Amino acid sequence: GIQVEQSPPDLILQEGANSTLRCNFSDSVNNLQWFHQNPWGQLINLFYIPSGTKQNGRLSATTVATERYSLLYISSSQTTDSGVYFCAGSQGAQKLVFGQGTRLTINP
Amino acid sequence: SQTIHQWPATLVQPVGSPLSLECTVEGTSNPNLYWYRQAAGRGLQLLFYSVGIGQISSEVPQNLSASRPQDRQFILSSKKLLLSDSGFYLCADGRMNTEAFFGQGTRLTVV
Repeated sequence: GIQVEQSPPDLILQEGANSTLRCNFSDSVNNLQWFHQNPWGQLINLFYIPSGTKQNGRLSATTVATERYSLLYISSSQTTDSGVYFCAGSQGAQKLVFGQGTRLTINP
Repeated sequence: SQTIHQWPATLVQPVGSPLSLECTVEGTSNPNLYWYRQAAGRGLQLLFYSVGIGQISSEVPQNLSASRPQDRQFILSSKKLLLSDSGFYLCADGRMNTEAFFGQGTRLTVV
């Protein structure tokens, strides 16, 4: 099955800073998602992005499917952006595989 | 979009006791259902996967089992819990070429 690697594992920033989170896949995927896990553990859907670029407010994501990676950008970080960010992907009808996550801490 | 219901939200069980966690899906039919476990606050491990009633794929050998008695119902069970079964359990609906959605999870502590 595919392997998913996320970097960095931990990121600590001051409020207002920008950040880039990366997700690499060992093989091509046709389902790719980014999630934010809130302090209560719930996984919040951020982007469904098997290819291309999408933006939602201060967040945007880009997936380069031919090079098997995806990037999540957070601009003008706020303390509420803190938490763990996961990417996940699958091939065809195969199971969704998660990376180990990036723990983002935004300090006031 | 669909809604994934999980209950209970938290559970404390003694070692050796049985377990039954339920997941139901609302607002769709023929979901592909998953059970994941998250330990130590990082990484989701896939436990079971089901594409239809009575069809269960197990990803890792363990003390748990899963069943899918109805199209939109997925149950995680154990006959005798171990300390190592503690964790955060998440149910999801994810299909080919579509976005996956998760329930709010059950935090299980085995004491």
